[in-house]
This record gives sequence, C-alpha cells and structure tokens, in this order.
Amino acid sequence: DAKTTQPPSMDCAEGRAANLPCNHSTISGNEYVYWYRQIHSQGPQYIIHGLKNNETNEMASLIITEDRKSSTLILPHATLRDTAVYYCTKSHNFNKFYFGSGTKLNVKP
Amino acid sequence: SAVISQKPSRDICQRGTSLTIQCQVDSQVTMMFWYRQQPGQSLTLIATANQGSEATYESGFVIDKFPISRPNLTFSTLTVSNMSPEDSSIYLCSVDGGQPKAFFGQGTRLTVV
Repeated sequence: DAKTTQPPSMDCAEGRAANLPCNHSTISGNEYVYWYRQIHSQGPQYIIHGLKNNETNEMASLIITEDRKSSTLILPHATLRDTAVYYCTKSHNFNKFYFGSGTKLNVKP
Repeated sequence: SAVISQKPSRDICQRGTSLTIQCQVDSQVTMMFWYRQQPGQSLTLIATANQGSEATYESGFVIDKFPISRPNLTFSTLTVSNMSPEDSSIYLCSVDGGQPKAFFGQGTRLTVV
C-alpha cells in the first residue's frame, strides 16, 4: 500500500521559517502533491499544491524533488496562528483526498 | 471559493438512534465528499456523494450504516445510523468548488452516549 510519511510533530520559533517534510512511497505521474492544514479541529484549509515544479503563493512555498516522492512545505515567517496540524497528501482529481497522520506544528514565541 | 454550511454543528445523541447531518454549498458543485475524524486522528474518507446516483463508499464504510443522499448540486446529507459510542467523531463535508482544491465545512461534532 502507498504510504505518506510526515514527522508527527515539529517546533518552530515565531518569525522563523518552518520547513515541513513529506515523503510518498509511490506517486503517479498525474498525481499532484497537496498540503492542507487544520487549526484546532476546524475544517481543513487548503495551502498549496504542485505537480513537479516548485510553487509559491501568499501562504507558503512548496519544494518538490525531481522524483516527486519528497516535498517540503515552507512557511517563510511562522506566526503563532500557524500552529496547526499540516497534512501532506496527493490527488489526481483535485477533490478526493486520503489523509495521513500529519505533522503537528507548534510555533513558539 | 465555495462556502459550505453544515448542520448541526454539534450534537449529543443516545446510542441506538440515528443522526442526519446536512451539507449545503453556496454554489453548484459536481463532487461532494464526506469524511470522518475520530478523536485525535486524521481525516478518513467515508464516501463520494454523487448527484443522481448512489454514493460510492470507501473500504470499511457501508450504506446501511452511513446512508447518503444527494438530491441536487448544492446539498447532501449523511446519516449515521444505529449509533454507538465508537461513532463519536467529527464528520466533515467537502466539495471541489470547480477549482483544483477541496473546500471543507467546519464539521459536525457528534458525541454518542
């Protein structure tokens, strides 16, 4: 079975960059890498997605390795409000997702 | 973006009863999905709600336990039937919203006693 691996938790100092890693045991050529986050049991919030090129939006940057099995989500200047569970997942149809365990990011003052 | 409203936001139910959760979207969407999030756990996809046809269930979920309706392109319901304490979870609705990302409702927090 395909497996997504993320560290269960990470700490980051407020104002510093948070780099969250993700590994997929397998990923198909038409599957996009997606990142969502969930703040305190609210509904998950979309952050960013990409296929093979690095991507940047107003929330974060996404770095994808050449084999596409690894990605890193970068929050350039983490704030206390970025404390959340971050989920890395993949999808070829943009709308149906199978979530792994995620990474609990703790941003500390 | 799509705005999703779920009702109820939370409920406490007696074991053996059923609860129907509603998901309303502010625009027509092709795909709607239901997820379950057990306490302290990640989200698990229950089923895809298809308009005009039966829902498609993921492994481990069955229609008798989680019947789903999708009467039109803006609305869906999920029923949790014959509830037990193990059904205590947050149930979330999501939609594709016509964009390459999913939008999620705020969820229904269900406690079965």
